[in-house]
Amino acid sequence: GAGVSQTPSNKVTEKGKYVELRCDPISGHTALYWYRQSLGQGPEFLIYFQGTGAADDSGLPNDRFFAVRPEGSVSTLKIQRTERGDSAVYLCASSGHSTDEQFFGPGTRLTVL
Amino acid sequence: AQSVSQHNHHVILSEAASLELGCNYSYGGTVNLFWYVQYPGQHLQLLLKYFSGDPLVKGIKGFEAEFIKSKFSFNLRKPSVQWSDTAEYFCAVNANAGNNRKLIWGLGTSLAVNP
Repeated sequence: GAGVSQTPSNKVTEKGKYVELRCDPISGHTALYWYRQSLGQGPEFLIYFQGTGAADDSGLPNDRFFAVRPEGSVSTLKIQRTERGDSAVYLCASSGHSTDEQFFGPGTRLTVL
Repeated sequence: AQSVSQHNHHVILSEAASLELGCNYSYGGTVNLFWYVQYPGQHLQLLLKYFSGDPLVKGIKGFEAEFIKSKFSFNLRKPSVQWSDTAEYFCAVNANAGNNRKLIWGLGTSLAVNP
């Protein structure tokens, strides 16, 4: 079956620009997570959705970062006024109702020049 | 705040050697514990997990991990590694409390197995 997919796989942008990263979770998974991973680091939690609502957004670093999941399936992570420090791999994961196992997508590598 | 510490950042072994990767966490309450693996060019996948019950858990590909509550540890082991085990290994924790499902991750351990 289809796993978690993320688009684009790579995104290069200039400092100050706006970017959107998309995540398609596994069909039927109610929970969706965003993490980011910098080189040589473990993933860092950003935000977690249960259905359409953000259950925990404590990991969003500042108000330039925002995420939505309007229909409880696809999610978009939006970054305004990008900075060079935003460069990282952005990971999306999803999980079902009865399990805490998170299934990860391949990530989007964001490079801010 | 929760944190996860992985002691070995880079490990190099020969095939058939035994492996133990350390993982310690800081959180006073009940936790769920995970080891994820990332093979070269692939995405993160679950190796094994501990929620409750037998503290010795077995995962895929011959890996196992032991939860020692008194030591706040969840070390990963494999008795005999193979070249195909070359990968990045991550320990992760979430607090088993209410609706908390976010994972807190260690920095990862890069394992290279020489044939």
